[in-house]
Amino acid sequence: DIQMTQSPSSLSASLGDRVTISCRASQDISKFLNWYQQKPGKAPKLIMYATSSLQSGVPSRFSGNGSGTDFTLIISSLQPDDCATYFCQQSYTTIFTFGPGTKVDLK
Amino acid sequence: QELLVQSGSEVRKPGSSMKVSCQASGVSFSTYAIAWLRQAPGQGLEWIGGIIPIFGTANYAQKLQDRVTITADESVSSAYLELSNLRPEDTAVYYCARQIGGPAYRFDPWGQGTLITVSS
Repeated sequence: DIQMTQSPSSLSASLGDRVTISCRASQDISKFLNWYQQKPGKAPKLIMYATSSLQSGVPSRFSGNGSGTDFTLIISSLQPDDCATYFCQQSYTTIFTFGPGTKVDLK
Repeated sequence: QELLVQSGSEVRKPGSSMKVSCQASGVSFSTYAIAWLRQAPGQGLEWIGGIIPIFGTANYAQKLQDRVTITADESVSSAYLELSNLRPEDTAVYYCARQIGGPAYRFDPWGQGTLITVSS
């Protein structure tokens, strides 16, 4: 199975800060990488797919890039509603695997 | 509005079985795969398996394939997850989600989650 790692595991940032979350795959997954946002007690929500395609309804302050094994989710200006845990997920194989998550909160 | 609505939380004893349902509303059901995933307390997400209702065939994660069965009933737009021989480590929130796209598969929308607690 493809292993996914994320860094950092958690971060605190100020309102309006640029936030970067990294995700690494154990092998080349091309651009088959998705990002989910999860708030406490809620189901995950798809925010980005195929590395850089923004899911409908998601604010444009979210962006994604990368290819191969290294990927990044960027929040250009952190807002209170962005406080959540973010998971990456590969779909290069149909044995889908997720990263362990990055918890983002406000400083 | 696209919704997947799951059955309610349950407490099960070790060695018993569970069955969770997931009903689609406003979501095209038969032609997309429905996936099942779980999240142990404070942990990450684990894909369990999925089914394309129109075909009726399921695929499973190797780790659970001896104990898991995923089925679907198109007549009621519902998918089901059964897990047998439950262990305390199966305690988790279980989610269904529609698997869309292809080849860039992703999960959207998700059900609200069903907490399964395995305890004697």
